[in-house]
Amino acid sequence: QKEVEQDPGPLSVPEGAIVSLNCTYSNSAFQYFMWYRQYSRKGPELLMYTYSSGNKEDGRFTAQVDKSSKYISLFIRDSQPSDSATYLCAMSKSSGSARQLTFGSGTQLTVLP
Amino acid sequence: EPEVTQTPSHQVTQMGQEVILRCVPISNHLYFYWYRQILGQKVEFLVSFYNNEISEKSEIFDDQFSVERPDGSNFTLKIRSTKLEDSAMYFCASSETEGNTIYFGEGSWLTVV
Repeated sequence: QKEVEQDPGPLSVPEGAIVSLNCTYSNSAFQYFMWYRQYSRKGPELLMYTYSSGNKEDGRFTAQVDKSSKYISLFIRDSQPSDSATYLCAMSKSSGSARQLTFGSGTQLTVLP
Repeated sequence: EPEVTQTPSHQVTQMGQEVILRCVPISNHLYFYWYRQILGQKVEFLVSFYNNEISEKSEIFDDQFSVERPDGSNFTLKIRSTKLEDSAMYFCASSETEGNTIYFGEGSWLTVV
């Protein structure tokens, strides 16, 4: 079983739709959870960072973590064509040494005008 | 907004040649990282660096790889004898502290021919 699994898509939605992106993981040692956005041939751009289970909201983005189910989600409200990108979940284990991120494979999202 | 900068943006090299990829992390950050992404694949951790030494490395980071912080601002990745399978986008990243979020540069695209 892969440590982090993410549906690669592609996912295509109309402008204004609510988008739901998800990752599951197998290693309960993961404590920190992040969502990155990556445009083609560019570096990952940090969107959301969460530590505990629950929800975290930032503008149109909501990150949700359910540690009991080993499941994380990113919701995008009122999606825009500029949100079209690949979304990467990433996670890392507890502190004690400089943390290395384990990434999902990414979900390619297209928001149609 | 402070950012991680990388040079070159693209390098083509012959198999067996040495390559140095350069990075300027965000100025007050203390932890530095290299990741790579082979075309169409996941972003993978290579190495983390703190206090002038490697703190973690993956099994990808074998003897042909080395990292260095030659002065107060630059962080480099050297690949001693490049192979075709080293062709990838290499991302430098940095974080302020060990428990903080990690910010990525735009990447250096390495093509080995």
